[in-house]
Amino acid sequence: GQSLEQPSEVTAVEGAIVQINCTYQTSGFYGLSWYQQHDGGAPTFLSYNALDGLEETGRFSSFLSRSDSYGYLLLQELQMKDSASYFCAVTNAGKSTFGDGTTLTVKP
Amino acid sequence: DTGVSQDPRHKITKRGQNVTFRCDPISEHNRLYWYRQTLGQGPEFLTYFQNEAQLEKSRLLSDRFSAERPKGSFSTLEIQRTEQGDSAMYLCASSLVEPRANEQFFGPGTRLTVL
Repeated sequence: GQSLEQPSEVTAVEGAIVQINCTYQTSGFYGLSWYQQHDGGAPTFLSYNALDGLEETGRFSSFLSRSDSYGYLLLQELQMKDSASYFCAVTNAGKSTFGDGTTLTVKP
Repeated sequence: DTGVSQDPRHKITKRGQNVTFRCDPISEHNRLYWYRQTLGQGPEFLTYFQNEAQLEKSRLLSDRFSAERPKGSFSTLEIQRTEQGDSAMYLCASSLVEPRANEQFFGPGTRLTVL
């Protein structure tokens, strides 16, 4: 089976940097994905790591350590619109297992 | 292409009735996925197709659930004899195959309420 753990809530102020951690246990592993979901909206793909290291996409970066079964999403220069839920997901041969999400609240 | 579409967006039904949802993926995507999401939880994998072949189905999925993708384009998800516990958002997603399978594009979902 597969399971993922991430913090349930994170709060930060506008302009700050926040890191959302994700640890996973899997029986098979292709990579770690991150999705953003606003209230009432659909999940939107943010990034994917198949190999160890940091992937940068604009204000968002994602990191993976396969040996530690650990990854994180880093959001820089936080904006109010970044308030949303963030999900990590492990992918194994087409099947994705999602964590329960981290609700990020950005305050002015 | 305007992305993944789902129909209907909302469905209210009485316990014991059958319901069917439709998903139209992004046209060039081979993979199509169905998920279920309840409040405060992440999307829960139900099943996925590559073209018209159903490659995996969650062991958590009861026999009341069935999905088809007859021509490798749109897909339908049917729930027979609905129960109150089936109330959830049903999400469809599509993607290319590896190495791009990890980038899934989600539709707006169908919200099911079973009374």
